[in-house]
Amino acid sequence: AQSVSQHNHHVILSEAASLELGCNYSYGGTVNLFWYVQYPGQHLQLLLKYFSGDPLVKGIKGFEAEFIKSKFSFNLRKPSVQWSDTAEYFCAVNPANNNDMRFGAGTRLTVKP
Amino acid sequence: EAQVTQNPRYLITVTGKKLTVTCSQNMNHEYMSWYRQDPGLGLRQIYYSMNVEVTDKGDVPEGYKVSRKEKRNFPLILESPSPNQTSLYFCASSPFRETDTQYFGPGTRLTVL
Repeated sequence: AQSVSQHNHHVILSEAASLELGCNYSYGGTVNLFWYVQYPGQHLQLLLKYFSGDPLVKGIKGFEAEFIKSKFSFNLRKPSVQWSDTAEYFCAVNPANNNDMRFGAGTRLTVKP
Repeated sequence: EAQVTQNPRYLITVTGKKLTVTCSQNMNHEYMSWYRQDPGLGLRQIYYSMNVEVTDKGDVPEGYKVSRKEKRNFPLILESPSPNQTSLYFCASSPFRETDTQYFGPGTRLTVL
């Protein structure tokens, strides 16, 4: 079945550590890719998205993600995390020419002060 | 303030008792969608709507109904709720389609006994 995989369920880091959260998908065609974040007690909000062009996309709050087509991956990165980055992060995929969205299971990030 | 609202925010009900969760957006968005969030499964799309009177099934539509009679409202109807529909439900909207930034509501936590 076509799916979106986030292999890290819970990541614990200290402040200033570097972050990389994995996202892989199994759709064969063109896809649109997203990362959403849910801070404690807040609504889900968009971090960044990729449709085409430069495979390295930059989002809000210093986050970036790299689309690697050959690996079917769209990993999220941040060079130096802060305590305020503690949240749950969701990767999402929209197969082009399709109106639905598929989310991964989410990765909970805990940043220790 | 631009927002997506959901009501109720919390609901405890019994098996078989019909219920409706309302969703309303004040941004004149055309695309609206319902998701359920379950531990370890992330967000799964239930139904979406591209515009008034246009709805389509997402990933997990069984046991749910929706309607889109007005642009701003997209209620989720559970005709005969069952315990496996206990979940956290999110409504979202975006200007035109799923690839636009989606704005999420605060969530409705439903428990079916």
